[in-house]
Amino acid sequence: QQQVKQSPQSLIVQKGGISIINCAYENTAFDYFPWYQQFPGKGPALLIAIRPDVSEKKEGRFTISFNKSAKQFSLHIMDSQPGDSATYFCAASRQTGANNLFFGTGTRLTVIP
Amino acid sequence: GAVVSQHPSWVICKSGTSVKIECRSLDFQATTMFWYRQFPKQSLMLMATSNEGSKATYEQGVEKDKFLINHASLTLSTLTVTSAHPEDSSFYICSARDPRGGGISYNEQFFGPGTRLTVL
Repeated sequence: QQQVKQSPQSLIVQKGGISIINCAYENTAFDYFPWYQQFPGKGPALLIAIRPDVSEKKEGRFTISFNKSAKQFSLHIMDSQPGDSATYFCAASRQTGANNLFFGTGTRLTVIP
Repeated sequence: GAVVSQHPSWVICKSGTSVKIECRSLDFQATTMFWYRQFPKQSLMLMATSNEGSKATYEQGVEKDKFLINHASLTLSTLTVTSAHPEDSSFYICSARDPRGGGISYNEQFFGPGTRLTVL
């Protein structure tokens, strides 16, 4: 059972455009939602994360939007650049108890010049 | 930020041999480390949680006798793939939880660069 569902599977965006990746979860006990960026042959790197007490978090060109009632969260990459081309994973976990990270299936982003 | 290293970055071995992969937290002490497996173009699959000084907790379906995990110190966890077979070929990634916090969650995990295992 996939705890976190992610879409789209792949995304092609023009340079300067906005990239949007969506995730949904079922377990209402989740209270930590990070996004990871992974380049080919490398480990994932934490990009940005949010807790459910806020609806939006922005760091540079990256913004997380969080909708607690809908159990959805999304990553927005503003002014997308070719260097942003990578695979992006959303994840979710609990702060207490069994706090393993549950990953989405990943989105392969390609930013074309 | 917290840095996690893995060694080796890639390894090729013959079927039937054992391979050891090291995961180190370089600038912090990690009481908990995690081992993941990733197939091409797929997500990360948690294999086991490694706690310093105690036995690892394996996820369902992961053979603990095949994937031996040792977390002997606060900065080092090892994964040994015993009697490796071609189907064990994969990208193995470790992560470590930084107990110092500083982020928005004490559950923030930092990942190593991964180890590509190819079994011939």
